[in-house]
Amino acid sequence: LAKTTQPISMDSYEGQEVNITCSHNNIATNDYITWYQQFPSQGPRFIIQGYKTKVTNEVASLFIPADRKSSTLSLPRVSLSDTAVYYCLVGYGGATNKLIFGTGTLLAVQP
Amino acid sequence: NAGVTQTPKFQVLKTGQSMTLQCAQDMNHNSMYWYRQDPGMGLRLIYYSASEGTTDKGEVPNGYNVSRLNKREFSLRLESAAPSQTSVYFCASSGQGNTEAFFGQGTRLTVV
Repeated sequence: LAKTTQPISMDSYEGQEVNITCSHNNIATNDYITWYQQFPSQGPRFIIQGYKTKVTNEVASLFIPADRKSSTLSLPRVSLSDTAVYYCLVGYGGATNKLIFGTGTLLAVQP
Repeated sequence: NAGVTQTPKFQVLKTGQSMTLQCAQDMNHNSMYWYRQDPGMGLRLIYYSASEGTTDKGEVPNGYNVSRLNKREFSLRLESAAPSQTSVYFCASSGQGNTEAFFGQGTRLTVV
């Protein structure tokens, strides 16, 4: 699976938009880009998934440029409860379905 | 709908003891996974099972064994626990060809 690189940590304030970028230079043609959120003492939770261009759901947007070598998770108007670790994962979950998580980005939202 | 259920939630072992962590999912998923997460670190894949009857090593398989008992259940066994295996263990499942995984609440294991 493609190796991913994310910032170790980010800081933000309530009400701001937060963009977290993930680099995945060796992404394969069949790979999807998936983001997870993890709160302390809980298992990760799926946020959003995309293949190209832009995907939006009720909690986030995912922007993927044409070359797909990076992606950006956008969280609109964050609140204190968005403080968590965010993981970018690249793969297609095909025949082997091997899901490898990177180190993640710790987002700290302050009042 | 319970999703992914792990037992036990907490466990303390002495060095050299053995134990089995249980995991069951009720979503009819083909794929199941075991991860460990050390304090302040990301998740590392121990073993996974792409489908019933198959298991494969992940990033850190040494010291562990797994059994895919049936489509619902995937257990993780520590034959001789070591302090380095102190961690939180997460089980997860996903549909075939899908990278959306569902996680259990975790098992906090301490080896003394």
